[in-house]
Order: sequence, then C-alpha cells, then structure tokens
Amino acid sequence: AQTVTQSQPEMSVQEAETVTLSCTYDTSESDYYLFWYKQPPSRQMILVIRQEAYKQQNATENRFSVNFQKAAKSFSLKISDSQLGDAAMYFCAYRATQGGSEKLVFGKGTKLTVNP
Amino acid sequence: KAGVTQTPRYLIKTRGQQVTLSCSPISGHRSVSWYQQTPGQGLQFLFEYFSETQRNKGNFPGRFSGRQFSNSRSEMNVSTLELGDSALYLCASSLALRLNNEQFFGPGTRLTVL
Repeated sequence: AQTVTQSQPEMSVQEAETVTLSCTYDTSESDYYLFWYKQPPSRQMILVIRQEAYKQQNATENRFSVNFQKAAKSFSLKISDSQLGDAAMYFCAYRATQGGSEKLVFGKGTKLTVNP
Repeated sequence: KAGVTQTPRYLIKTRGQQVTLSCSPISGHRSVSWYQQTPGQGLQFLFEYFSETQRNKGNFPGRFSGRQFSNSRSEMNVSTLELGDSALYLCASSLALRLNNEQFFGPGTRLTVL
C-alpha cells in the first residue's frame, strides 16, 4: 500500500523568507501523481502544485516549487518570499494512475506559521 | 462557477444515532470522493463514486455508506454513531476520466458525536 510521510509536524518562517516542507512516499508503481494541498484555518483545501512522476522537470507555480527526487521517493515543497497568507496546514498527497481512481493518499500534514 | 458545496456545515449528534451528509459537486463534475479528517488519523479516504457507481472504498466499517445520484450529487451515511466518528468530513469532486484532473474540495461538514 502506498504511504506518504511528512516528518515536520510544524514549521515556521519569517515573512519574505524561503521555507521548504518535506515529504517522502512509498510506492511500487512507476507512474503516479504527487500533490501539495494547502488547508488554511477556514478549512477549504486547495491545490498548490502537482507533479507527474514521469516528468523529470520540477513543477513550479509562481512562488511555489517542488524538488522531486523519484529515486529517493522525495517530494519537497519550497515556498519563496513567504507571505502571511501562506500560513496554513500543508498536505502532501499521492495518487496512483493505475485503475483510474481519484483516491488520494495524504500525509499527516505540516503546520506552517509565517511570522511578520 | 459555484464550488463544491456540503451540507450541513456543522452537525451535533449523540452516540447510536445516524447521520446523512450531502455533497454537491461542481457542475459537470462526475466524480465525488469522501474523506474523513481527524487530528489523530489525518485525512483518510472513505469512498469514491463515479456515474452513480462506487469505484473505490477505504478501510472503514460497514456503518459508513454512500451513494451518488444521477445529477452527481452524493450523500454519505453513518449509522450507529460512535464518539470516534467525530471528524471533519470532506467531499471532493473532479471531472474524472482524465488522469490529470484536479480535485476540488468542499468546505467540509464538522460532525460532533456526544
């Protein structure tokens, strides 16, 4: 079974600084998707960034980028120029491509605090 | 375009009762998934529906059930509630049929079992 591990329950960063959130996963599949979701205190989960395993190039979305190391099964999220609005729970998630299921396997999350 | 809506937003029940939660996906979305979120267990997959058929089911007891209607709206039911069922229940919808689909989450239903 696939598992996702986020080893940092909490992280903090100063406004305008850069922070990296860690995620490792375990799977025997060769093709899959990886995601980072953000859940602010309002509880609405939103997608931050996604990575397709067959793509070598790391995904980037504005201030958010990932470091995808397929062999190491590592998928970290880097937030540059951190803003107060980035404060939230961040969840790393895995989705297999076999079977066409939409099922997501989530890590336990990292609570990010942004200090002014 | 309206987002995923979930009703009710908050619910208080007592042990032994049953509860029905509702999820309306984004218009045009045919896939609906349900997740349970608790501080201890995190986010756990409950089930997934597509075109009124359950496509996948998580490791939950039979007290948890769901269904999807022809308009893609979905309901989940929990019978004989236990204290441990207190959680935030999240619904997510997507277009499905394409692997690169984004799932859109609703605001959740906060269930408290007393």
